[in-house]
Amino acid sequence: GENVEQHPSTLSVQEGDSAVIKCTYSDSASNYFPWYKQELGKRPQLIIDIRSNVGEKKDQRIAVTLNKTAKHFSLHITETQPEDSAVYFCAASIPGANDYKLSFGAGTTVTVRA
Amino acid sequence: NAGVTQTPKFRILKIGQSMTLQCTQDMNHNYMYWYRQDPGMGLKLIYYSVGAGITDKGEVPNGYNVSRSTTEDFPLRLELAAPSQTSVYFCAIGQGTYEQYFGPGTRLTVT
Repeated sequence: GENVEQHPSTLSVQEGDSAVIKCTYSDSASNYFPWYKQELGKRPQLIIDIRSNVGEKKDQRIAVTLNKTAKHFSLHITETQPEDSAVYFCAASIPGANDYKLSFGAGTTVTVRA
Repeated sequence: NAGVTQTPKFRILKIGQSMTLQCTQDMNHNYMYWYRQDPGMGLKLIYYSVGAGITDKGEVPNGYNVSRSTTEDFPLRLELAAPSQTSVYFCAIGQGTYEQYFGPGTRLTVT
């Protein structure tokens, strides 16, 4: 099955700096890669996603890049702000039956220092 | 339009007790998923359903059961609760794409 690895597990950045989180996946047939943000005590919320026919996608201060050859994708947050502090999860679609399952990484705890 | 609701928010169980975690959606999505979230472990799929009357096991189904008699409801049943089932449980919904939307979660402690 699909295996997703996420690094680093924790990340501390100075406010205004950039943050980068990287994920690798194992199944080359995966074609959908979402990123979720989870604030303390809250539900995971979808913040950005990318499909395999696209190399990069941006939404204001966040961007995701995908390298299909290397089977890795990354989340980039620019000009970090205190409200960016959260746990971020990457995921990859599990190919096969039409059940639309996802395999999640273990998460990255991002702390933005004021 | 509440989206996805889960009850209860918190629960403490004694070892060997049983309970049902409720998940209800009002978005008419066919696909529903149950995950558990343990610290540092991400989200693990317990069971899922692609429509009313159809359920299947995920990655970590042992100790759990589900049913899906209606589109709206997807309850998760714990029989003979064990400390290893202490976790935060999230229900998620989807509509035939890979985008999934999560409920607020249930925090369960088994002692």
